[in-house]
Amino acid sequence: SQQGEEDPQALSIQEGENATMNCSYKTSINNLQWYRQNSGRGLVHLILIRSNEREKHSGRLRVTLDTSKKSSSLLITASRAADTASYFCASINDMRFGAGTRLTVKP
Amino acid sequence: DTGVSQNPRHKITKRGQNVTFRCDPISEHNRLYWYRQTLGQGPEFLTYFQNEAQLEKSRLLSDRFSAERPKGSFSTLEIQRTEQGDSAMYLCASSNIGIGVYEQYFGPGTRLTVT
Repeated sequence: SQQGEEDPQALSIQEGENATMNCSYKTSINNLQWYRQNSGRGLVHLILIRSNEREKHSGRLRVTLDTSKKSSSLLITASRAADTASYFCASINDMRFGAGTRLTVKP
Repeated sequence: DTGVSQNPRHKITKRGQNVTFRCDPISEHNRLYWYRQTLGQGPEFLTYFQNEAQLEKSRLLSDRFSAERPKGSFSTLEIQRTEQGDSAMYLCASSNIGIGVYEQYFGPGTRLTVT
């Protein structure tokens, strides 16, 4: 069964807006990874946040981790049409992925 | 290209046939993972290796599925007596937590179609 659950399942925004996706876990979170997958393509690693980190930035990406709430969020700022993809989270611990958030950025 | 590679990229087979996929991980990575992904879903964990040892297998991995990593480098995933329900993208990933490379790097996948 899948452990990570992304929310929302689908998100549609205009180019330039920010997009926020959430990930929740039933078990403890450790070294959480976020991935992007364009339609029909492989998964691209975006960012890893360790269990002792609360926030991490990479370019237009900002990831937060709340181990007490067993949740993480991914924020994409100033979105672009090229950000259209599915986004997944997965814990290093159990290597389970959720169904992902399908983000559509309209030009 | 020093990333994870998978072959073949596409495989069409008839129900009942056996198929084998290959994954070549990033050279210094000692962990290798197999996942299966169907349309609209996230990757489902199948199994993983640490060097040549298969450390965990999902209950999804029925008796018809077998994976090997004989020398701790490349890995093969074999599906025997394929069924239409086996049609999916099969993904391979590698990492090396021993040197702090916790991130899993994925290959492009092998798309299997069972007719």
